[in-house]
This record gives sequence, structure tokens and C-alpha cells, in this order.
Amino acid sequence: DAGVIQSPRHEVTEMGQEVTLRCKPISGHDYLFWYRQTMMRGLELLIYFNNNVPIDDSGMPEDRFSAKMPNASFSTLKIQPSEPRDSAVYFCASNTGVYNEQFFGPGTRLTVL
Amino acid sequence: AQSVTQLDSQVPVFEEAPVELRCNYSSSVSVYLFWYVQYPNQGLQLLLKYLSGSTLVKGINGFEAEFNKSQTSFHLRKPSVHISDTAEYFCAVSDGDYKLSFGAGTTVTVRA
Repeated sequence: DAGVIQSPRHEVTEMGQEVTLRCKPISGHDYLFWYRQTMMRGLELLIYFNNNVPIDDSGMPEDRFSAKMPNASFSTLKIQPSEPRDSAVYFCASNTGVYNEQFFGPGTRLTVL
Repeated sequence: AQSVTQLDSQVPVFEEAPVELRCNYSSSVSVYLFWYVQYPNQGLQLLLKYLSGSTLVKGINGFEAEFNKSQTSFHLRKPSVHISDTAEYFCAVSDGDYKLSFGAGTTVTVRA
């Protein structure tokens, strides 16, 4: 299996622009998680899905952030409009829901100028 | 939700020396415990996990961890480190609701 796939790996954009991050979970995994990692706040869970349905989005920082999972093999995290404080590494992870072992993608490093 | 404290933010260590990374969590009835490693510019990779049973857990790359319920700790150890163990290590805890709570991380730097 190719593991969790994220794209792009790096994104540089200007304040106010829309940013879309993409994730393909491991086939057969029915839980998908989006995390944000910063020096100041560490790893934060933003939202997670089960069987394509958002279960808990309490970690989404503002209405500027939205996430979708239209099917079992694809999810997006969108920031509109982006701000410099959104600069971080965004990770996607998936698992089968058994014992919570999560498999992480390589991350997307977002820089908002 | 659980809270996780990693007591050391930076641990410098010489090659072939032992290392211990400390992790404490807030108490709960039952928990699942994990250690993840993050190499530079990569995602997190599972080192080991404790779900139940023996309190001494062995993981990949020669790491092991011991679950201590009375002290609510899950410390990670390796008897002899290599340069390639230079990375950031995260302790994570779940009380069974599919959400992981991560510690702030410990950066291990192995020097020759």
C-alpha cells in the first residue's frame, strides 16, 4: 500500500487567497483525521471523519476552515481566505478505527505571506 | 479529553548511550498509549503502542516503553542510540473515542 498521500507537499500563497489541501487515505481505512502542527501549539486535531461523515470538528479554528470527504478515498481541507497565522504543517491520517493506531501522511507545509 | 505531558523538550545524547523520554498523562479509567517518531520533514510513524496486557511494550528500532498505571506514565527507552535516532518523539493517549491527544514532543539529538 502507498500509505496516506497528501498534496501538495509545499504550498506558498498570499494572504487572502484560497488554499486547498488534499488527502488520500489508506484503502480500507474508514477514519480520516486532519491535524495542524506549529511550533507554538504542537499537534492539534482539526477534524475527523468516519465513513465520510464529519464526526468532530471542534478543533477547526475558524469559519475560514472547512473540510469535506466526498468519498472514501479523498478528502480536502480548505482555507478561505488564508492568513499568515495559518502557516503550519497540515497532516492527514487514517485508521481502521481499531485501537486508534493512526497512519500519517507526509504533510503539507503551508506558508501564507 | 486526556492531557499529555512530555517532561523534556530537548534531549541531547551521545551515540551508543541509553536514552529515556518521559511521558505522563492525566488519569482515566483506561487508556491506549502510543509513541510516535517524526524524522525531519516527514510525517509521524508509530514506534509502539500499549493497549492492554504486559506493561513492557517493545517497538521498532530497539525502542521499548513501560506503562505504569499508578504513576500514569509511559516512558520510552532505548539502551543504545544511533545517529539515525535523531528525531522528534511524541507521546499520545486515547481513552477510546478515536481521538488522540499528543504531547508537545521531545527532540532527541544524537551526537557522535
